[in-house]
Amino acid sequence: AQSVTQPDIHITVSEGASLELRCNYSYGATPYLFWYVQSPGQGLQLLLKYFSGDTLVQGIKGFEAEFKRSQSSFNLRKPSVHWSDAAEYFCAVGARAGNNRKLIWGLGTSLAVNP
Amino acid sequence: EAQVTQNPRYLITVTGKKLTVTCSQNMNHEYMSWYRQDPGLGLRQIYYSMNVEVTDKGDVPEGYKVSRKEKRNFPLILESPSPNQTSLYFCATKSSYNSPLHFGNGTRLTVT
Repeated sequence: AQSVTQPDIHITVSEGASLELRCNYSYGATPYLFWYVQSPGQGLQLLLKYFSGDTLVQGIKGFEAEFKRSQSSFNLRKPSVHWSDAAEYFCAVGARAGNNRKLIWGLGTSLAVNP
Repeated sequence: EAQVTQNPRYLITVTGKKLTVTCSQNMNHEYMSWYRQDPGLGLRQIYYSMNVEVTDKGDVPEGYKVSRKEKRNFPLILESPSPNQTSLYFCATKSSYNSPLHFGNGTRLTVT
């Protein structure tokens, strides 16, 4: 079955520390992968996406993610976290569903940043 | 500026009272969809529309209706809301089959 797992429900890091948010997916075909961020009271904003090519993708706000097919993972990283990065982060895989490219979502990782 | 606009942002209503949540996009996208977000259940697709006059059920369509009479608008209709429809609702749009979704800011609905 197609699924996305974000193993960490909640993570707390100190400002300036590095960050890695984990995402594992189960999908039989070549995955289209996304990371979104949701700030309180806001909609979801795309951070980055992977379709093909270079497995290390750069996104907005200094985030990057690495696609590892052998591990079925698409982990999100940031070298130095800022207080404004506190938010909910969602990983998603685009799955083919008839004539629709449907997103299968992880349940999210809530990030808190200590000053 | 590219926008997906939902209204209202907050809505409190009573069981059985019909309501409509509007969604409008200015990106000329053909694809639009509705999601609900619930703690522990994540984001689930309610309905989607590939084009004007074409709509399809998502994963949780029960209790909802949609219409797509024009490209920019995709209202979500709850004809007889129930408390289990209390949720955070998002409208989203994308430009093509593999494109990422652009989301509205959400509508927090409470049904008492």
